[in-house]
Amino acid sequence: GNSVTQMEGPVTLSEEAFLTINCTYTATGYPSLFWYVQYPGEGLQLLLKATKADDKGSNKGFEATYRKETTSFHLEKGSVQVSDSAVYFCALSKTSYDKVIFGPGTSLSVIP
Amino acid sequence: DTAVSQTPKYLVTQMGNDKSIKCEQNLGHDTMYWYKQDSKKFLKIMFSYNNKELIINETVPNRFSPKSPDKAHLNLHINSLELGDSAVYFCASSQEPDQTYEQYFGPGTRLTVT
Repeated sequence: GNSVTQMEGPVTLSEEAFLTINCTYTATGYPSLFWYVQYPGEGLQLLLKATKADDKGSNKGFEATYRKETTSFHLEKGSVQVSDSAVYFCALSKTSYDKVIFGPGTSLSVIP
Repeated sequence: DTAVSQTPKYLVTQMGNDKSIKCEQNLGHDTMYWYKQDSKKFLKIMFSYNNKELIINETVPNRFSPKSPDKAHLNLHINSLELGDSAVYFCASSQEPDQTYEQYFGPGTRLTVT
């Protein structure tokens, strides 16, 4: 079946450090891929998405590239801030009308 | 303006009780969802409605019954609550049932069953 795997957290970084959160998926065909972010005490928000191979999604300094050959969609940011502390969810949808499957989430804490 | 709102924010109740959680969206979206997030932050879809019609119904106990009186509202009723129902429940909406569209989440309802 379809699934999403993320690196285990929690991840703790110092402010201005480089961030990578790994995400790999299992699905046939070309699913759409997403990163959602959940700030403390809030619901999830879409951070970025990519709908076809080699697409790069970007938002708020975060980027992720859809890599079909490695079935990956790693999230990166060049310089994290304290305000980036949150839980990050990688997700996929195999078809337009199929449910979104979320990964287990990776907790990020950024310390000053 | 709140886009997706849920009430109540916190709900503490005893085993065996029946409770409801309400959700409203003012985005004009056609599709609404209920998700359950467990204590480890794992998120799983429960139901999805499009224009008041059920389109996704995951394997959840039939003690859980969604109701959509109109496309702006999706309520969740839970009968005979059990300890394992303790979780955060999120409502979400999207413009269309096309899952490539962004989903907008409510703030969540933290349900604690004692």
